[in-house]
Amino acid sequence: DIVMTQSPDSLAVSLGERATINCKSSQSVFYNYDNKNYLAWHQQKPGQPPKLLIYWASTRESGVPDRFSGSGSGTDFTLTISSLQADDVAVYYCQQYYYTPRTFGQGTKVEIK
Amino acid sequence: QVQLVQSGAEVKKPGASIKVSCKASGYTFTDYYMHWVRQAPGQGLEWMGWINPKNGDTKFAQRFQGRVTMTRDTSISTAYMELTSLRSDETAVYYCVREASFYDYWGQGTLVTVSS
Repeated sequence: DIVMTQSPDSLAVSLGERATINCKSSQSVFYNYDNKNYLAWHQQKPGQPPKLLIYWASTRESGVPDRFSGSGSGTDFTLTISSLQADDVAVYYCQQYYYTPRTFGQGTKVEIK
Repeated sequence: QVQLVQSGAEVKKPGASIKVSCKASGYTFTDYYMHWVRQAPGQGLEWMGWINPKNGDTKFAQRFQGRVTMTRDTSISTAYMELTSLRSDETAVYYCVREASFYDYWGQGTLVTVSS
């Protein structure tokens, strides 16, 4: 199975500051045929289901604020929140959808400092 | 708008079975695979398997083989996940998730509590 490893496990950031979450996959999730990275980011707030933020590693889902951005390719990916807002307090998961079984990172908890 | 509405919370004893439903609306049910993902309290997300609503094909995570069944009823756009021989450590929220290459819509989740 593909192992997805996120870092850090948690981080506290001041309002308006940048938050950066890293995700590393044990094998590449880049598909040469369509030139895409099969990597998504989901946000989960307490008591709610996860919500898709980013897919194809860097494409924002409709309605997601542009302070969220995704980057990376192959095995190394990053989710950046450019200016943290109170509403961004949540756990963030990366997920690969290239291989079966689908696998998730362990999650990164983002809090306000 | 796309919606996945799951059945309500349940309490089961160890060794019992659970069947969770997921009613889809707002799109053509047979056009997208449906996956099931679970989350134990305070833990991460665990993939259980998928069903192709068009033909009923399924694939399961190795650890659930022989204990999980995924079915669908296309006449009512509903997917089902049944898990047998429940253990107390399988208390979790069970989610259905639509896959459009990536997971774009999640159900609200069904809390299954396994306790004697």
